[in-house]
Amino acid sequence: AQSVAQPEDQVNVAEGNPLTVKCTYSVSGNPYLFWYVQYPNRGLQFLLKYITGDNLVKGSYGFEAEFNKSQTSFHLKKPSALVSDSALYFCAVRTSGGSYIPTFGRGTSLIVHP
Amino acid sequence: NAGVTQTPKFQVLKTGQSMTLQCAQDMNHEYMSWYRQDPGMGLRLIHYSVGAGITDQGEVPNGYNVSRSTTEDFPLRLLSAAPSQTSVYFCASRVASGKGMNTEAFFGQGTRLTVV
Repeated sequence: AQSVAQPEDQVNVAEGNPLTVKCTYSVSGNPYLFWYVQYPNRGLQFLLKYITGDNLVKGSYGFEAEFNKSQTSFHLKKPSALVSDSALYFCAVRTSGGSYIPTFGRGTSLIVHP
Repeated sequence: NAGVTQTPKFQVLKTGQSMTLQCAQDMNHEYMSWYRQDPGMGLRLIHYSVGAGITDQGEVPNGYNVSRSTTEDFPLRLLSAAPSQTSVYFCASRVASGKGMNTEAFFGQGTRLTVV
């Protein structure tokens, strides 16, 4: 079985400040982890993924995420938030020997204030 | 290369009506899936397919049917619409595992369905 939790429904941050969107996961086996972003009235867009290798993964639009195996976490981060980063963010997980299709979290609404 | 195309973008149905949500991709992806998105629930998997002629149920399959006669198309059928099926529906596709490093999914723009 695989599951993912995003403990915060909403994250508020001031423009220019660092942001973190949290994600924890539960899988049997090695996890493959993904972050997606959804802008209003649009489909989901891929941001970044962790498959293997370096624990710090860099993705689109200046985002990065850190894989922490001991804490089963994959938090999304950005050093300096922009108002245009305001969107809904989804974490997703699947396993190497598990389901073909990833399981998504409930999503976290990121609001960046000017 | 259009990616994943969903039609229609918006639809209003009366309870009991049936309809088909269309999904087409032009990337020759083996895997396709349908999700519904509801407030506070995230994305929930309805049905998925790992290739033409092969489909399987996801987390919330009741009231929906799918078929995969070609690699490109993966329609979702609502058999008898109910208000509980009011939602935003997303279709996604990706390359089969083993053909890439566990590639990400590509999503359509969504279909907003209201059942009254």
